[in-house]
Amino acid sequence: AAGVIQSPRHLIKEKRETATLKCYPIPRHDTVYWYQQGPGQDPQFLISFYEKMQSDKGSIPDRFSAQQFSDYHSELNMSSLELGDSALYFCASSKWGGLGEQYFGPGTRLTVT
Amino acid sequence: AQTVTQSQPEMSVQEAETVTLSCTYDTSESDYYLFWYKQPPSRQMILVIRQEAYKQQNATENRFSVNFQKAAKSFSLKISDSQLGDAAMYFCAYRWGMNRDDKIIFGKGTRLHILP
Repeated sequence: AAGVIQSPRHLIKEKRETATLKCYPIPRHDTVYWYQQGPGQDPQFLISFYEKMQSDKGSIPDRFSAQQFSDYHSELNMSSLELGDSALYFCASSKWGGLGEQYFGPGTRLTVT
Repeated sequence: AQTVTQSQPEMSVQEAETVTLSCTYDTSESDYYLFWYKQPPSRQMILVIRQEAYKQQNATENRFSVNFQKAAKSFSLKISDSQLGDAAMYFCAYRWGMNRDDKIIFGKGTRLHILP
């Protein structure tokens, strides 16, 4: 079965640089979520999109923005990167009418040096 | 606000034995979902088991089962016949059931060690 695809899997950036993370949800899933997991932490919700519209926002810094495109893939744009942005970024997708679960991608490991 | 609490940061169990991971949550809602996710060293988040709050019957998936006590807001995970591949971080998680796009709230996790 198709899973959530995230790219790149690993990314190394320097402070003050910009990063773009991409997420391709499971086909026919209409909702995408972004989570950030710092070292030794639990995943924290950043933002979600339903049918290409932003639907909920968590503790996402103003330096971050995201969108969902017409093909349902989503991109998380991160600017003015800080050392504290180093984390594992998960994308998850779900389908309305499902059983409540979200399916997680493998994550993008971002390292800011 | 909803919260999820896992009081056991780490646990160990002998291979082939049974272990129970604890989880409590706080919510004022009546319609919600509860999950256990497994995160092995690869860091992939793997759904282990799901429970709908309106169902009284405890969910079971092969060697994994839950004890869902809605009134007590308790949701423990039992792993039977523990295997080396079960070693991982386990996250208890909550999701409100009324919105199609509601986020998941995770507990801090319990790291499970399997002793050969």
